[in-house]
Formats: sequence, C-alpha cells, structure tokens
Amino acid sequence: DGGITQSPKYLFRKEGQNVTLSCEQNLNHDAMYWYRQDPGQGLRLIYYSQIVNDFQKGDIAEGYSVSREKKESFPLTVTSAQKNPTAFYLCASRTSTATEAFFGQGTRLTVV
Amino acid sequence: GQSLEQPSEVTAVEGAIVQINCTYQTSGFYGLSWYQQHDGGAPTFLSYNALDGLEETGRFSSFLSRSDSYGYLLLQELQMKDSASYFCAVMDAGNMLTFGGGTRLMVKP
Repeated sequence: DGGITQSPKYLFRKEGQNVTLSCEQNLNHDAMYWYRQDPGQGLRLIYYSQIVNDFQKGDIAEGYSVSREKKESFPLTVTSAQKNPTAFYLCASRTSTATEAFFGQGTRLTVV
Repeated sequence: GQSLEQPSEVTAVEGAIVQINCTYQTSGFYGLSWYQQHDGGAPTFLSYNALDGLEETGRFSSFLSRSDSYGYLLLQELQMKDSASYFCAVMDAGNMLTFGGGTRLMVKP
C-alpha cells in the first residue's frame, strides 16, 4: 500500500539531546513538508522540500534541521537549540502538480 | 509571508448547515485548500479552490473569492462524526503550504 509513514509514534527524550524524526513516503511525491502542532493550535510549517537535495525554511525553522538525500525520505532533527520541542510533529507530501497533501500519522515528541 | 485567519470554534446541531470562514494574506497565491483533523489524528484533504466560485463535494462545499482574499467551507446535513478541527491552507507558486490556526467544530445532538 502506498502511503506516508512517520516513526516512531511516540518519542521521549531528555532535555538537551538532539532527536531525529523519520518520514518516508512511497507515493513518488516531489514535495515534502514538516509541521509542528501544539495542543489546540494550527499547523506551523517548519521546513519543506520541493526536490531532492533542496529544502526551504518555513515559519519556525529555528532549532530544527532537515535533509533530503532521497526522494522518499525527509527526516527532521530537533536540536538542543529548540527551546520548547514538546509537540506533535506531522509530515506531509504531495506531487508538484496536485493540490492534495497526504499526511503521516504524526510523531508525538515529549522532552523531559 | 503568509497569514490566515479563521474562527477558533463553531458549534452547531446535527442536521444543520455551518459555514467556516477563512481570510488570508499571501504573496504569490496559488490556491486555497481545506483539511479536516479529528483529535489525535492526521489532517485529511477535503477540497481545493484555485478560481473564484463554489466547489461542491457531497455534503461539503468550498468557496473562494480571490479579490477579497476570502474563502469558506460549507458543511451541510451535519453529522456527529463531523465534529473535528477544520483548517484552511494556502499554496503559493513555490509549493509552500501554509495552514491557518484551525476551527474546532462541535456538533451537538
């Protein structure tokens, strides 16, 4: 089945540690996105990528980093520079010619 | 930059019609989308408008006025399962997809 997979579903990390969230898609989509969602809030764009080896900052990129070495994969690293990393992280993808974005099931990150 | 405004919460009764408005400010506007998200779940695509007018998909319709930078989502024959958060999102020519803060819809019996 084609889809977009985020792992793990729940992640706990100690304060000050870097952590990498996985996002993989087998939909052959060109564009991929990372969003952060806080309780009762909207989706805020962290980074997005239109093609392999290229990505752009979104509205809240500080404290995060990404890579796009393969079309299928767009991992997000939450660094120790991110002051309040506890949140629900959503990855999405879409083809460059389509209007619909498909989302993964999200990773709930808790920093203790 | 891009910004979108939508009401934070709307309440309606089962069987009724509800309209969720969205106003936006953006450079390089390409289209307006709507997504639904149930608590704890992933957003799912509902509709998209690139041109002015109304798009109908079953019980859901979406409207866009590019000159007014305004759109709305219309939900008819409300059902309890429609209780969820609804997000408008703008796409620009550079594939940037920006979401609004979301509208929480509560459907009551």
